[in-house]
Amino acid sequence: AQKITQTQPGMFVQEKEAVTLDCTYDTSDQSYGLFWYKQPSSGEMIFLIYQGSYDEQNATEGRYSLNFQKARKSANLVISASQLGDSAMYFCAMKTGRRALTFGSGTRLQVQP
Amino acid sequence: GAGVSQTPSNKVTEKGKYVELRCDPISGHTALYWYRQSLGQGPEFLIYFQGTGAADDSGLPNDRFFAVRPEGSVSTLKIQRTERGDSAVYLCASSLSSGGRTDTQYFGPGTRLTVL
Repeated sequence: AQKITQTQPGMFVQEKEAVTLDCTYDTSDQSYGLFWYKQPSSGEMIFLIYQGSYDEQNATEGRYSLNFQKARKSANLVISASQLGDSAMYFCAMKTGRRALTFGSGTRLQVQP
Repeated sequence: GAGVSQTPSNKVTEKGKYVELRCDPISGHTALYWYRQSLGQGPEFLIYFQGTGAADDSGLPNDRFFAVRPEGSVSTLKIQRTERGDSAVYLCASSLSSGGRTDTQYFGPGTRLTVL
């Protein structure tokens, strides 16, 4: 079975600082994909970044980067230079084969001015 | 291009009634997914379609829930004899295909269902 664990229910960060949101996963599959989504108060899930299990380099997308440590089964999201608009729920998710996404419980990030 | 759309955005119904929730995926996306998100939790998988057929319906909680995608595009999630515990946000997502780990799913805005 697939499982995603996000241990930080809430995080605070000062504007312009970097923040790391933790995610650990559990799967017996060798091939899998890891995703991060942002969910603002409006409710829509916005795709941020993807990391494949065979990718040798950490994924980056603008201010988002994924710190992928395969041996530790962790896929932490790093947001650099936080902005007020980054305040939202953040979900880590995993996909294996033809299955649907398995989501964690999320982390609520609040960016303070 | 247009993203995933869902209608209605909000639905209030009474216990025991029947409801239909609609999802219109991104044009050309063959895979379509339904998830349910309860307050304060991550989305939970319900069912997914590859084309017209339900490839995996293992997430449907019971036989009151049913979904169709007759022409391989628009999908309808149907809930019979609604219960208060069905209250949640129902999210729909689509991807180019479901074949493999790399197909990114794009989500619609969701339908908030409230059962009184």
